Amino acid sequence: DAKTTQPTSMDCAEGRAANLPCNHSTISGNEYVYWYRQIHSQGPQYIIHGLKNNETNEMASLIITEDRKSSTLILPHATLRDTAVYYCIVRVAGNSGYALNFGKGTSLLVTP
Amino acid sequence: DTGVSQDPRHKITKRGQNVTFRCDPISEHNRLYWYRQTLGQGPEFLTYFQNEAQLEKSRLLSDRFSAERPKGSFSTLEIQRTEQGDSAMYLCASSLGGPGRYSPLHFGNGTRLTVT
Repeated sequence: DAKTTQPTSMDCAEGRAANLPCNHSTISGNEYVYWYRQIHSQGPQYIIHGLKNNETNEMASLIITEDRKSSTLILPHATLRDTAVYYCIVRVAGNSGYALNFGKGTSLLVTP
Repeated sequence: DTGVSQDPRHKITKRGQNVTFRCDPISEHNRLYWYRQTLGQGPEFLTYFQNEAQLEKSRLLSDRFSAERPKGSFSTLEIQRTEQGDSAMYLCASSLGGPGRYSPLHFGNGTRLTVT
């Protein structure tokens, strides 16, 4: 699996967009980018995933660069409840059940 | 959708004792995963089941660890002869697998193990 690099921590003001970057410069053509988050004392929660095209759902948007070497998760209007650790994971969607290996992620603090 | 349930939430045990954790996945999910998470780190994959078959095991899963999913529903994770290094949060997740599709992992809130 390709390695990912994320900032250790970020701050965001409530109501503003939170833009969380992820570098995956060694990504290969069949590897997807997945984002999960983990709120304190809870298990991780799926946010979004993508291969090449930008994706949007009710939680967030995922912007993947044309060369696929990096991506950005966007929370358009961050709330205090979005304070969490955000994990960017790159993985081939294959027969091994999509088991994912999480790194250390980015700790996002949303402030009032 | 009642979510993934794990029991117990907390377990304190003495070094050398055996412990067993239980995971009840979302009922229609055929895939079940165990992860371990230590303080300040992201979850680390341990093992994966599709129905009752254990299809993948991480190198982290030493021979003191055993996981089962006997009827393809709930799963147990047993640690024998616990060591202080086993202290961690043990997370269970489930998903609905199928060819050519990605189904997100749904995680429980974990069992926190402390080995004294």
